[in-house]
Amino acid sequence: QVQLQESGPGLVKPSETLSLTCTVSGVSMSTSYWTWIRQPPGRGLEWIGFLSYTGSTNYNPSLESRVTISVDTSKAQSSLKLRSVTAADTAVYYCAREHCSNGSCSFDYWGQGTLVTVSS
Amino acid sequence: EIVLTQSPGTLSLSPGERATLSCRASQSISSNYLAWYQQKPGQAPRLLIYGASSRATGIPDRFSGSGSGTDFSLTISRLEPEDFAVYFCQQYGISPKTFGQGTKVGVK
Repeated sequence: QVQLQESGPGLVKPSETLSLTCTVSGVSMSTSYWTWIRQPPGRGLEWIGFLSYTGSTNYNPSLESRVTISVDTSKAQSSLKLRSVTAADTAVYYCAREHCSNGSCSFDYWGQGTLVTVSS
Repeated sequence: EIVLTQSPGTLSLSPGERATLSCRASQSISSNYLAWYQQKPGQAPRLLIYGASSRATGIPDRFSGSGSGTDFSLTISRLEPEDFAVYFCQQYGISPKTFGQGTKVGVK
């Protein structure tokens, strides 16, 4: 059974760095694209970026200057760091696996999400 | 960036009725590169459809996807009580990957 579980502080101060970890079980991290997506309260979904099994990264240009995604396959974890946060970064943050097969891709497994509030 | 516009914003229907949700892209995308997700309150999105028309594992056949180019749709043939939720379309043809703003299917 594939499971993804986000963890990290629920409250971050403005201008500081948001750091989250996603622990993966039931599937190898040596394949697929390990992705972070966020959803501000009551709003839609925003793709943050991914790190692929080849080690390449792709970030949303709107966040690229502030975000880093990394993977530690020995710990089966993906990590997200978002620097210089503001209240606009308050959201539920999801980790997800993007899997591609026969030329078609999708986010087939998701964590349950973790709410991060940016406030002093 | 490809903007996905979903309509209607809210759909009020009764169990047993048919639901048709629309997703329009600001530019043409390959039909292989569109997915649909269902989200219930307090839960993560759940993959329903990928490649515009392929059902994900375990998704009932009352869910179907179609479309190409800039116009895509999700149809729920007969609404079950558990289908009342918010539905998002998502494209991955051109980075950044983007989502529609969602259609809420509510009980009439």
